[in-house]
Order: sequence, then structure tokens, then C-alpha cells
Amino acid sequence: RKEVEQDPGPFNVPEGATVAFNCTYSNSASQSFFWYRQDCRKEPKLLMSVYSSGNEDGRFTAQLNRASQYISLLIRDSKLSDSATYLCVYYSSASKIIFGSGTRLSIRP
Amino acid sequence: DAGVIQSPRHEVTEMGQEVTLRCKPISGHNSLFWYRQTMMRGLELLIYFNNNVPIDDSGMPEDRFSAKMPNASFSTLKIQPSEPRDSAVYFCASQGLASNTGELFFGEGSRLTVL
Repeated sequence: RKEVEQDPGPFNVPEGATVAFNCTYSNSASQSFFWYRQDCRKEPKLLMSVYSSGNEDGRFTAQLNRASQYISLLIRDSKLSDSATYLCVYYSSASKIIFGSGTRLSIRP
Repeated sequence: DAGVIQSPRHEVTEMGQEVTLRCKPISGHNSLFWYRQTMMRGLELLIYFNNNVPIDDSGMPEDRFSAKMPNASFSTLKIQPSEPRDSAVYFCASQGLASNTGELFFGEGSRLTVL
């Protein structure tokens, strides 16, 4: 089983829609979780951290469910500029950082 | 401030040739990571260094791959001999000790094509 698994998508939704996707992880000792965003042919960049209590950054909400070992990302009122690949990331130890394979999101006008 | 700098941005080479990819991390960052990205396998961690010391190289595919970090401002990833299946985008990323978010800062990547 992969350490981190994501639905590859693509998710194709209309502008203004709400979209959510999950990421499951296998290492229950994982401490820190993040969502990164990667635009086509670009490098990944940090989108937001994921806290146990859940956290929100504008239209983006991230949640962590330790009991079921998954994290989620919710995007409200999606914009064309949200089209990208979203990567879930966790730290399996102090410095080893593992990326999921990414979920492709495409927002259509 | 300059970000992570990688070179070359693109390289096309023939099977059997040696390839050397270079990375300059952000000044003051103490951790450096090499990743490889392909459509089939996504982002794979190859090796990472902490204070210039290799900590975990279990992701390095085989003996043809080697990585060094002779000082805090420079790292190389070498493939010798290269094979077509090594074609991928290779990313270098650095992380600072004082980074509360644990954010990784990536270079723009080196796109390698082995014919």
C-alpha cells in the first residue's frame, strides 16, 4: 500500500462550484500535513497547512481526520485560476517528506 | 531573495551518457531534498540531506544514481550511465530550520530526456 493515496481525478467542475477531495495516509504516527499546489509544468508550492482542528484560508478549508487517517481539501466558489494539481503531503519523520501523486482539478467557465 | 536555483533547466542526452544536475538551496536553509516526478509515479523522494549530511537515500533507484552536498550552498545529483527510463523532471527543494510551517521551497526543476 502506498504511504499516501489520492484520487488522481481529473475533477472537472464549473466555475463557482464547490469541490472537495481527500487523501488517505497509512502511517498513523504522521505528525504534520500540508496541501501543495502544482500548476502545469511548474514546481509545487505550499497552499496551506492542515491542523487537527481544521483550518480555513479564504475559500479553502483543510481538515484532518486522524481516526480514519485522511485529510481533505474543500474549495468553495471555485475560480478558473484554481485549475491545478493538488498534492497532499505529510512528514513521516522529522525530515522525510512524502507527497501524494496529486489530484488534478480543472475549472471550466 | 533568490529562491532555490537548479541547472540545467532542460537536458537532452543519449543513453549511456553521464548526467549531472545541480542545485543551490536558499541561503540559511539546512535541509535539502531531491525529488523525481513522472506522470506514472508522481513525486518520488530520492534523497535528502540535513546540514550537508545524507540522511535517507532509500529512494535512490539504483547504483547509477548518486548525490552529494559538499557544502551548504551546493548539491549535485548524478546519473551514470543514464537510461531512457530516467527521463523525468528532477526537483530540488530546501527547508529552513526556523520554518514553523515546515514549508518546502522548490526549484523550477530540471527536465531530463534520455534518448
